[in-house]
Amino acid sequence: AQKVTQAQTEISVVEKEDVTLDCVYETRDTTYYLFWYKQPPSGELVFLIRRNSFDEQNEISGRYSWNFQKSTSSFNFTITASQVVDSAVYFCALTIYSSASKIIFGSGTRLSIRP
Amino acid sequence: ETGVTQTPRHLVMGMTNKKSLKCEQHLGHNAMYWYKQSAKKPLELMFVYSLEERVENNSVPSRFSPECPNSSHLFLHLHTLQPEDSALYLCASSQGGGVAKNIQYFGAGTRLSVL
Repeated sequence: AQKVTQAQTEISVVEKEDVTLDCVYETRDTTYYLFWYKQPPSGELVFLIRRNSFDEQNEISGRYSWNFQKSTSSFNFTITASQVVDSAVYFCALTIYSSASKIIFGSGTRLSIRP
Repeated sequence: ETGVTQTPRHLVMGMTNKKSLKCEQHLGHNAMYWYKQSAKKPLELMFVYSLEERVENNSVPSRFSPECPNSSHLFLHLHTLQPEDSALYLCASSQGGGVAKNIQYFGAGTRLSVL
């Protein structure tokens, strides 16, 4: 069975601090994709990134960076120099090759950035 | 304007009412999804449609009835709901056609309250 665990339920930091959101996943499939989505107060889930299981290269996009480590089954997300607009719930998710239509979401981490 | 539009944004209904949620995608996608998001629970996949055919039904009670008249529109018909059905209902769409194309794009959701 597949599972995504986001152990941090809520995180609160002061603006300009760096913050890392943890994600641990479980799957026996060798071909899978990992995702991060952002859900601001407006409700819409916004797609941030997708990474496939064969590409362990870390990625940076502006203030966002992702660290994928198959050895620890983790796909962590770091926001550098956080801003108030980063306040949202962040979801890590997993989909596997044999069940392409199904995305398994973690329970989310609520991030609050204080001015 | 987002690529996936949901109406209404908010809905209050009694347990004996019949109502429908509407979702429209403007992304040229072939697959559409309904999710339920309750407080303190992971997103729950309810239904999946691919090329207007229902391919997944995750043991959803019959008081929820989906309809997909074409690849751009998805409805969720509601009748005789229970208070525990109160939640945010999210619609998503993707290109379909396998895991490599399954990046799901979400609408802003309908916040449903059942009295």
